[in-house]
Amino acid sequence: AQSVTQLDSQVPVFEEAPVELRCNYSSSVSVYLFWYVQYPNQGLQLLLKYLSGSTLVKGINGFEAEFNKSQTSFHLRKPSVHISDTAEYFCAVSTYSGGGADGLTFGKGTHLIIQP
Amino acid sequence: GAVVSQHPSRVICKSGTSVKIECRSLDFQATTMFWYRQFPKKSLMLMATSNEGSKATYEQGVEKDKFLINHASLTLSTLTVTSAHPEDSSFYICSAHPQGLAGVREQFFGPGTRLTVL
Repeated sequence: AQSVTQLDSQVPVFEEAPVELRCNYSSSVSVYLFWYVQYPNQGLQLLLKYLSGSTLVKGINGFEAEFNKSQTSFHLRKPSVHISDTAEYFCAVSTYSGGGADGLTFGKGTHLIIQP
Repeated sequence: GAVVSQHPSRVICKSGTSVKIECRSLDFQATTMFWYRQFPKKSLMLMATSNEGSKATYEQGVEKDKFLINHASLTLSTLTVTSAHPEDSSFYICSAHPQGLAGVREQFFGPGTRLTVL
């Protein structure tokens, strides 16, 4: 079984400042890692994913994340945030077996609040 | 591409009635669809995995007789909340994994359905 921990339930940041949203996971097998964003009253949108290869992955809207296997972390970063980045951010993991897909295990989410 | 729709987007029902929620992959075929539940201020919780043409696999603690899942075709899965009670009020979200795209390793999410049971 897998688990995902997002220690920060809420992160306030001033506009144009950098931000890091933390995510740690636990799993006995290899996992795939994802970050999703959920804007108010909307569905989930994929920001980025790590499947294999380079540990630094770049996503949409200027976000990037780095996979650190030794620390079992997949922190999300953005060098300069905008008001429009205000949203709920979810870290998630999954495993895939034999070509089939497994459901995602989500963290509890981090609410990013951008202050003008 | 890779659009998933859900219908209805919002539903209000009386306690004791049943509600059906549809999840459709609009521009791809999905061998596997997932149903999640999102509580207020909480994360998404996987309820069940639905494979086309076979019975759904439910996560521990999810009542299969209360949450009936049918994956009748490669583009449609339905979730029926039977004899709904106020505690079933929640945001239900489906996702779909494209057929034949194992390398994609990604699920595409629907916009969700807000269920309120009075």
